[in-house]
Amino acid sequence: QVHLVESGGGAVQPGGSLRLSCEASEFTINNFAVHWVRQAPGAGLEWVAVTSHNGAINSYAESVKGRFTISRDNSNNMVFLDLGSLRPDDTAVYYCTRDRGPYSSGWFLNWGQGTLLVVSS
Amino acid sequence: DIQMTQSPSSVSASVGDRVTITCRASQGITNWLGWYQQKPGKAPQLLISDASILESGVPSRFSGSGFGTDFTLTISSLQPEDFATYYCQQGYRFPYTFGQGTRLEIK
Repeated sequence: QVHLVESGGGAVQPGGSLRLSCEASEFTINNFAVHWVRQAPGAGLEWVAVTSHNGAINSYAESVKGRFTISRDNSNNMVFLDLGSLRPDDTAVYYCTRDRGPYSSGWFLNWGQGTLLVVSS
Repeated sequence: DIQMTQSPSSVSASVGDRVTITCRASQGITNWLGWYQQKPGKAPQLLISDASILESGVPSRFSGSGFGTDFTLTISSLQPEDFATYYCQQGYRFPYTFGQGTRLEIK
């Protein structure tokens, strides 16, 4: 059974930085694109970023472009999201999700449980 | 960006009812439409992709239809476990975008 576990969330001051991690188990992550999707408290879902199976192709939402960086370490079955210049409106639960194939198919098949980031002074 | 608009925002229904949720895209997305179910405190789950393809393990009481800009999710006979929030999402073009959600509540 596909398993994704996010970690690294917490409380950060505006302007700060943080790294979120997503560890995959029960499947080989290097065959799949992986996305990050976030959900602000009591709000809807927002796609954040995607990395292709080998990390060669990455795309970002305009709201995070230039501030967030997605990367992956296939040898350790991990995907990362480096967050910088954080703002209060980045406060959200961040989910990593597995795609259907090696490049983004547009669908989020398997999800982790999420990790909460709170940006506040 | 492609805007996704769901209606209604919330609906009350009873076990056994038939419920339909609609989703409209701000531009044509052919059949690049997915539906997700989210229960409180849990991650979303993909129910339907490509507008009408049921994901593995999803009960057959769920169905999807539509093409272009207008789509529907239908639950043919509501079960207690179906009370949740439902989101549509377009997978046609970056940035992928979601509808605002439809909260399905017990009447």
